[in-house]
Amino acid sequence: QQQVKQSPQSLIVQKGGISIINCAYENTAFDYFPWYQQFPGKGPALLIAIRPDVSEKKEGRFTISFNKSAKQFSLHIMDSQPGDSATYFCAASGTSGGYQKVTFGTGTKLQVIP
Amino acid sequence: NAGVTQTPKFQVLKTGQSMTLQCAQDMNHNSMYWYRQDPGMGLRLIYYSASEGTTDKGEVPNGYNVSRLNKREFSLRLESAAPSQTSVYFCASSEERNYNSPLHFGNGTRLTVT
Repeated sequence: QQQVKQSPQSLIVQKGGISIINCAYENTAFDYFPWYQQFPGKGPALLIAIRPDVSEKKEGRFTISFNKSAKQFSLHIMDSQPGDSATYFCAASGTSGGYQKVTFGTGTKLQVIP
Repeated sequence: NAGVTQTPKFQVLKTGQSMTLQCAQDMNHNSMYWYRQDPGMGLRLIYYSASEGTTDKGEVPNGYNVSRLNKREFSLRLESAAPSQTSVYFCASSEERNYNSPLHFGNGTRLTVT
């Protein structure tokens, strides 16, 4: 059972364009929504995160939009650069049974072409 | 500051062999986790340790055992490897069990079972 659905699976964007990755979740007990960025041969690293009481969070060229009623959230990368080429995972987090339960989406492989 | 260190980076096993994946963190984090990453499936939690001396099963624990040796080290053991355990394994740590404490990942161990 995939509790966090992520799309698209892969994305090709031209340099300077906008990259958009979408996620939907089912469990309303989630209360934190991070995005992780993973480069080849490396582990994922936290990119940006949002709480459900906020509709948008922006950090530099990266913005999370959050729609609590629709149980959807998305990552927008403005002015996409070749260095942004990586795999992006959305996630949903909550405290369950005494530990931080993080459920990851299936990942989006982004390629930014010059 | 090394962060989370995993060894080995690569390993090939034959069906039925055993091995231990090692993980150490130098951030004085309380919680540690083992995930596996498979194409199209995101990251799935195998085992976690909320604090030194405690371990618990995650989503996909079958075929694995863990040991939280001390606060720094958390190892994952495959007693009798199977081809279905071919995957990339990531160790992660977080400061607290809280829902918004970011996960810090190592660079992974790529395991192939033939």
